[in-house]
Amino acid sequence: TAGITQAPTSQILAAGRSMTLRCTQDMRHNAMYWYRQDLGLGLRLIHYSNTAGTTGKGEVPDGYSVSRANTDDFPLTLASAVPSQTSVYFCASSGGPDTGELFFGEGSRLTVL
Amino acid sequence: GQNIDQPTEMTATEGAIVQINCTYQTSGFNGLFWYQQHAGEAPTFLSYNVLDGLEEKGRFSSFLSRSKGYSYLLLKELQMKDSASYLCAVRDGDYKLSFGAGTTVTVRA
Repeated sequence: TAGITQAPTSQILAAGRSMTLRCTQDMRHNAMYWYRQDLGLGLRLIHYSNTAGTTGKGEVPDGYSVSRANTDDFPLTLASAVPSQTSVYFCASSGGPDTGELFFGEGSRLTVL
Repeated sequence: GQNIDQPTEMTATEGAIVQINCTYQTSGFNGLFWYQQHAGEAPTFLSYNVLDGLEEKGRFSSFLSRSKGYSYLLLKELQMKDSASYLCAVRDGDYKLSFGAGTTVTVRA
């Protein structure tokens, strides 16, 4: 069972370059999320989508954009990367507001130099 | 936003019991969750409380008091594999899930 697949697993990126982190789920979950995890700060919500065609801003949305063209895919784009965006990025999904559990991808480690 | 506090680190002996406390302040409340995260891995779901009281699941139990904005995760009969970070998370009125910074539990032989 694939669950949630993220790509790439790891990436080094020059500052100023753009980057898209891919996230695909095969569980037909309505809700999807992007979090970043930094030491001492825990998981912080970047953007979310409650259903295909809709997106919303989380706690730290600046510098990131998302789209949700269909149920399965939820890519995260950094238009012009900065060193402060160095982090581990986790994509997650859930069945919707009535279910609680988030299912996480394995994470994408991004280093911006 | 949310304000979720939990201790940074805890150490316990194999076979013992450890209680991880979590306090929160939230705009609206739709449940409290605990996740386990081993180093270098993704978080995995442990428990969910939406009503006051104790939820037991094997060696792990979670308690919630909504009036006090308080929860705890109880780990019994600690095993070495329980060494991990434990994340308290609160779902707000908009159904967004916010996480605390996590508590690193180290189990010693």
